[in-house]
Amino acid sequence: AQTVTQSQPEMSVQEAETVTLSCTYDTSESDYYLFWYKQPPSRQMILVIRQEAYKQQNATENRFSVNFQKAAKSFSLKISDSQLGDAAMYFCAYRSGDSGGSNYKLTFGKGTLLTVNP
Amino acid sequence: KAGVTQTPRYLIKTRGQQVTLSCSPISGHRSVSWYQQTPGQGLQFLFEYFSETQRNKGNFPGRFSGRQFSNSRSEMNVSTLELGDSALYLCASSLAYPALNEQFFGPGTRLTVL
Repeated sequence: AQTVTQSQPEMSVQEAETVTLSCTYDTSESDYYLFWYKQPPSRQMILVIRQEAYKQQNATENRFSVNFQKAAKSFSLKISDSQLGDAAMYFCAYRSGDSGGSNYKLTFGKGTLLTVNP
Repeated sequence: KAGVTQTPRYLIKTRGQQVTLSCSPISGHRSVSWYQQTPGQGLQFLFEYFSETQRNKGNFPGRFSGRQFSNSRSEMNVSTLELGDSALYLCASSLAYPALNEQFFGPGTRLTVL
């Protein structure tokens, strides 16, 4: 079974600075997808960024980028120019892409609570 | 386009009762997944439905069940409620199955079991 580990329960960053959230995962599959989701205090979960395992290039979405290290099974999220609105719980998630009948459920890490200080 | 809607938003029940939660996916989305979120266990997958068929199921007891209707709306039912069932229940929809792209989440239903 796949597992996702977020080793930082809480992080804080000063507004306008950069912060990196860590995520490691364990899998024996070669084809999979990784996600970072953001859950603000209002509770609506939204997708921040998505990475396909077969792509070597790291995904970027405006101020959000990932450092995907497939061999190390690491998938960290970098937030540049942090804004007050970035404060939220961030979840790393894994989904199998194996078309051989695997379970396609999303497996989540425990989350990292990010605080942005003005 | 309206997002994923979940009803009710808040629910209080007592042990032994049963509860039904509803989820309406984004228009055109045919896959619906359910998750349980608790402070201790985090986010755990319950089940996923596509074309009115359960495609995947998480490690939850048989008290947890669900279904999907022809209009893709989904319900989940929890029978014989236990205190440990208190949680935020999230529904997510996606265009197709498997949902290898983005899943869109609803605001959740907060269930409190007394």
